[in-house]
Amino acid sequence: DIQMTQSPASLSVSVGETVTITCRASENIYSNLAWYQQKQGKSPQLLVYAATNLADGVPSRFSGSGSGTQYSLKINSLQSEDFGSYYCQHFWGTPYTFGGGTKLEIK
Amino acid sequence: DVQLQESGPGLVKPSQSLSLTCSVTGYSITSGYYWNWIRQFPGNKLEWMGYISYDGSNNYNPSLKNRISITRDTSKNQFFLKLNSVTTEDTATYYCARDDYGRDFDYWGQGTTLTVSS
Repeated sequence: DIQMTQSPASLSVSVGETVTITCRASENIYSNLAWYQQKQGKSPQLLVYAATNLADGVPSRFSGSGSGTQYSLKINSLQSEDFGSYYCQHFWGTPYTFGGGTKLEIK
Repeated sequence: DVQLQESGPGLVKPSQSLSLTCSVTGYSITSGYYWNWIRQFPGNKLEWMGYISYDGSNNYNPSLKNRISITRDTSKNQFFLKLNSVTTEDTATYYCARDDYGRDFDYWGQGTTLTVSS
């Protein structure tokens, strides 16, 4: 199975700051990567697909980048509604696997 | 709009089977896409369990070996998860989700919590 290593596990930030979350795959996943946001008690919601494409309705302050085994999710000018947990997931064949998550907390 | 909703018993005893239902509205599960089950353990680790395709074929996570079965009722636009021989390790929140042909999970249900306990 492809292992997805996400960092950091948690991050304490202030509104208005910029954050970057990284995800490393154990092998080349050829940009077959999605990012999700999960609020407490809710299901994950799609943010980015194919490494760099924003899902419908996702604000432009979110952006995805990367290739090969290294990927990033960047959030510019954090808003209060952006706090929660973020997960990466690969789609380079099954079994699909997820990163361990990054919890974004208010400083 | 596409909506998915899970339902299930909430509590299952060890060694029994768990059965969950995902009811889909707004899109026919025979028209396209892959229809998945994903679970999230206490501590928040996410695990993909498997899917049933629009054509009825299946793809399962090998980690679940021979315990898992995903079936469907096309007349009700529902698909189902059955997991045999459950243990306390199967305690989790179970989600159903639509898979955009191996690109992303674009629609998710709200999740159903399942506890395995005697």
